[in-house]
Amino acid sequence: AIQMTQSPSSLSASVGDRVTITCRASQGIRNDLGWYQQKPGKAPKLLIYAASSLQSGVPSRFSGSGSGTDFTLTISSLQPEDFATYYCLQDYNSPYTFGQGTKLEIK
Amino acid sequence: EVQLVQSGAEVKKPGESLKISCKGSGYSFTSYWIGWVRQMPGKGLEWMGIIYPGDSDTRYSPSFQGQVTISADKSISTAYLQWSSLKASDTAMYYCARRSSGWWDWGQGTLVTVSS
Repeated sequence: AIQMTQSPSSLSASVGDRVTITCRASQGIRNDLGWYQQKPGKAPKLLIYAASSLQSGVPSRFSGSGSGTDFTLTISSLQPEDFATYYCLQDYNSPYTFGQGTKLEIK
Repeated sequence: EVQLVQSGAEVKKPGESLKISCKGSGYSFTSYWIGWVRQMPGKGLEWMGIIYPGDSDTRYSPSFQGQVTISADKSISTAYLQWSSLKASDTAMYYCARRSSGWWDWGQGTLVTVSS
C-alpha cells in the first residue's frame, strides 16, 4: 500500500499567518491527491482535489500544489475558522490512504 | 443534489453482529465507487475499503480484510458495512464517501459504540 507521510503533525499559528502542510507519497501518485479539513464532530470537508483544484465554495486562501510524490497545502492568511485538522488522501491506487493528519491550533 | 445518508448511531455488545448503511441519492448509484472510512476516538482517518455498486467489485485495505464486509444493494441505492462479531476496538465513527470527479463526497457518519 502507498504510504502518505504528512507533516507537521501539529502546528501552532496566529490569525493572518501563512501556513504550509506537506504530504509525501511512498511512490508516485500523479496528482491523485485531495486535502480535507475536519472539525470536531464533523465529517471531513473537501478543500482541494486533483492536488491543486479548489473545490467550489472554498475560500481562495486555500491552495494546493504538487505532483508525483510531494504535495503541499497552503493557507495564505489564517482565519479563525481555519483552526481544524487537515488530512491528505491519495486515491491513485487502492487501498487508498490518508496522511496522519495535521492539527492546526491557535498560538 | 448528491446525498449520502447514513444510518443512526448504534450501541452494541462485544460479540454481536452489526450492519450499518449508507443510502445514496441524487445520482446514478451504480456508476460511482463508494468507500468506507473509520475514525477511532481522537484518532485520524483510516480507509477501510471500496465497492463499485454496478458490479459489486469490492476492495479492502489490508488492515480491514477479513474484519468487515462491504456490500451494496443497488435496488435500493444503499451500501453497507457489516461486522459478524464486534469487538470493543470497533468503537469508532464510520463514514461512507462517494467517488466523484476527482474527489469524495461524504456521508454524515455513523457512531458505533461497542461496550459490555
